[in-house]
Amino acid sequence: NAGVTQTPKFRILKIGQSMTLQCTQDMNHNYMYWYRQDPGMGLKLIYYSVGAGITDKGEVPNGYNVSRSTTEDFPLRLELAAPSQTSVYFCASSPLFRETQYFGPGTRLLVL
Amino acid sequence: AQTVTQSQPEMSVQEAETVTLSCTYDTSESDYYLFWYKQPPSRQMILVIRQEAYKQQNATENRFSVNFQKAAKSFSLKISDSQLGDAAMYFCAYNSGGGADGLTFGKGTHLIIQP
Repeated sequence: NAGVTQTPKFRILKIGQSMTLQCTQDMNHNYMYWYRQDPGMGLKLIYYSVGAGITDKGEVPNGYNVSRSTTEDFPLRLELAAPSQTSVYFCASSPLFRETQYFGPGTRLLVL
Repeated sequence: AQTVTQSQPEMSVQEAETVTLSCTYDTSESDYYLFWYKQPPSRQMILVIRQEAYKQQNATENRFSVNFQKAAKSFSLKISDSQLGDAAMYFCAYNSGGGADGLTFGKGTHLIIQP
């Protein structure tokens, strides 16, 4: 049981490039989340999903897109990367929205 | 919108001593959930303890306990018998009881354990 896995662990992007951050969970959780953590700050919610085919915006969705075609996967797409998107990105999942969220190890993204 | 405030950017404690980390939050809801997460240098977010707002009894997990004051909107974390492995960033987080829209985090407290 791997829990929540994220790839890649680290990536450098040039301004204007695009990429997809991968997130997979093997706990059969319905709820999945993407957060970003800027230096010296707590995590902020980007997008979330309550099940396959259902997604919604969080606090800071601009510049990102998500999809949820399966229960296990919840990829985050960055279009036209900007320096402001330099951050650490965390994916999380939970069985119910009131329950504990289990986090992946994070992806560190540097946009230059 | 809900907000979570951690007023102590950094705390230091001697090994084996007790330390309390503060957290206050702002909400108009009566049903919600509160969490403390630990983030060591590895960056992994690890759940420390969880409290349901409808429960009057304070949550406890081994050396970790909370002081939940609902009327004061306060949720402090007490770590007893501090160990070197407790050194980390600690984040307080809030989750609405009525929605699925994720956690709201404070900015964190950096806990240093002095040997």
